[in-house]
Amino acid sequence: AQSVTQLDSHVSVSEGTPVLLRCNYSSSYSPSLFWYVQHPNKGLQLLLKYTSAATLVKGINGFEAEFKKSETSFHLTKPSAHMSDAAEYFCVVSPGTDKLIFGTGTRLQVFP
Amino acid sequence: DTGVSQDPRHKITKRGQNVTFRCDPISEHNRLYWYRQTLGQGPEFLTYFQNEAQLEKSRLLSDRFSAERPKGSFSTLEIQRTEQGDSAMYLCASSRRLAVNYNEQFFGPGTRLTVL
Repeated sequence: AQSVTQLDSHVSVSEGTPVLLRCNYSSSYSPSLFWYVQHPNKGLQLLLKYTSAATLVKGINGFEAEFKKSETSFHLTKPSAHMSDAAEYFCVVSPGTDKLIFGTGTRLQVFP
Repeated sequence: DTGVSQDPRHKITKRGQNVTFRCDPISEHNRLYWYRQTLGQGPEFLTYFQNEAQLEKSRLLSDRFSAERPKGSFSTLEIQRTEQGDSAMYLCASSRRLAVNYNEQFFGPGTRLTVL
């Protein structure tokens, strides 16, 4: 069975400093992996996706993630946090073309 | 471009009552998904449709839950005899099935259900 584990439930950073949100996955074969963001009172939005092409994936709003098979990780990074990045972030795995399996989420706080 | 819409956005009901939610997907999308999100958790898959066919149901979907997509367009999710444990955000998503190994799902704003 496929699953994802988000290693931090909360991450706090100062504006302008780097962001690192950690995610490990479990899969018996090469997975499709994603990061979604959920702002308060807004729908889930896709940040980026990995589907077995380039291992370094660039997404929207300056975010990127690197697929590391040897470490079974797919960590999300951003060089410089902005106040508007404060939200809930979900690491997600897909077993195919149907359902998504979400992690428990990481709440990112950005302080001025 | 009209996104996924859900109605109502909020529903408060008493235990034992029936509730029905509606989801309107993006018009050209043939796949529609329902998820449930409880406080502090990630969304959990409930069921999905390809056109009007319901292709998969999660074990989370007890016999009190039923979903339909009668003409392959909008979908309804009904919960009968609601329980307090049904309180959650119900999310709908849609996608257009492609011949590759992933189709991006677009999410609606959700319906927040509170069962008193």
